[in-house]
Amino acid sequence: LAKTTQPISMDSYEGQEVNITCSHNNIATNDYITWYQQFPSQGPRFIIQGYKTKVTNEVASLFIPADRKSSTLSLPRVSLSDTAVYYCRHAGNNRKLIWGLGTSLAVNP
Amino acid sequence: DVKVTQSSRYLVKRTGEKVFLECVQDMDHENMFWYRQDPGLGLRLIYFSYDVKMKEKGDIPEGYSVSREKKERFSLILESASTNQTSMYLCASSLAGTDEFQPQHFGDGTRLSIL
Repeated sequence: LAKTTQPISMDSYEGQEVNITCSHNNIATNDYITWYQQFPSQGPRFIIQGYKTKVTNEVASLFIPADRKSSTLSLPRVSLSDTAVYYCRHAGNNRKLIWGLGTSLAVNP
Repeated sequence: DVKVTQSSRYLVKRTGEKVFLECVQDMDHENMFWYRQDPGLGLRLIYFSYDVKMKEKGDIPEGYSVSREKKERFSLILESASTNQTSMYLCASSLAGTDEFQPQHFGDGTRLSIL
């Protein structure tokens, strides 16, 4: 049974780099891994997507090892406004989308 | 920017009522989705649609139905509301193509309370 696991919560301080790891034990061969950010009273918002190795955009980096059974979202130099819930998502071998339960990141001053 | 608009931010209804949640997207996306979000359970897919007048069941379709008469609008219907349907409901849309490749764009949700 495909499952996506991520830590329930993390704490950090302003200016630090934060890494959130998601494990996906049954990811489909051609599947992409997508990360979303959600603020209170808002819907999730797309952050970054990747297939393998490393992807970087203006807000985050995504690291995916060769076996693709995990992925790590990296947020450089977080600020208070990065306090949010972060979700990873992929499709399993039956092509159904599988969402993690979310990691609640608290950034402290 | 893609805009997905849900008709109500907060809604209070009574048990047994028929409830309609409306969602409109303005970017001509082919795919539309309805999720519910509950503490500790994450996002769970109720129904989705790849085209007008087309619908597919998600993971938890029981007690719900959907309607997609126009490309930009996707409605979620609670046939006879029950208290266990109290939840945050999120609508999303995406471009055509298999789901795993296309990012989804979400509305800000409707917090529905069934009394």
